[in-house]
Amino acid sequence: AQTVTQSQPEMSVQEAETVTLSCTYDTSESNYYLFWYKQPPSRQMILVIRQEAYKQQNATENRFSVNFQKAAKSFSLKISDSQLGDTAMYFCAFMKPLNTGFQKLVFGTGTRLLVSP
Amino acid sequence: NAGVTQTPKFQVLKTGQSMTLQCAQDMNHNSMYWYRQDPGMGLRLIYYSASEGTTDKGEVPNGYNVSRLNKREFSLRLESAAPSQTSVYFCASSEAGTIREKLFFGSGTQLSVL
Repeated sequence: AQTVTQSQPEMSVQEAETVTLSCTYDTSESNYYLFWYKQPPSRQMILVIRQEAYKQQNATENRFSVNFQKAAKSFSLKISDSQLGDTAMYFCAFMKPLNTGFQKLVFGTGTRLLVSP
Repeated sequence: NAGVTQTPKFQVLKTGQSMTLQCAQDMNHNSMYWYRQDPGMGLRLIYYSASEGTTDKGEVPNGYNVSRLNKREFSLRLESAAPSQTSVYFCASSEAGTIREKLFFGSGTQLSVL
């Protein structure tokens, strides 16, 4: 069974600075997907970024980028130019693709990020 | 567009009471899911429905039942609520056949069982 580990329960960063959230996972699969989801105080789950394991290039979405190290099974999220609106819980998630297209995500326990002025 | 709608947003139950959490999506998605979120545990899959007419157990199905009423609706039922079921419950949906498609989540139901 796949497992996802987020070893940082809480992190703090000042506005405009850069912060990196860590995520490691365990799987015997060679093809899979990795995700970072953001959950602000509103509780809404928002997809931040997605990485396909077969792609060597790290995914980037505006201020958000990942450092995907497949051999090390590591998938960290870097947030550049942090903004107050980035304050949220961040979840790392793993998905093994199935032929049916059904998505069965395995989530980590989350990292609470606080961005201060 | 409403996306994924969950009702109710908050609920307090006494031990042994029953209730049904409702979920509806208007995106014509085939797959729907129920997750629970507990502090320090992340989100865990309770049940899922890969397509209309099918349901399957996830990681933590005990104490729950589900019904895929039609393509739009997927309900979660607690027959006899227990304090261990105090949690935030999320419904989600995705488009089957396109595994690159993301999950769309509802806004959650905060359930307290006393």
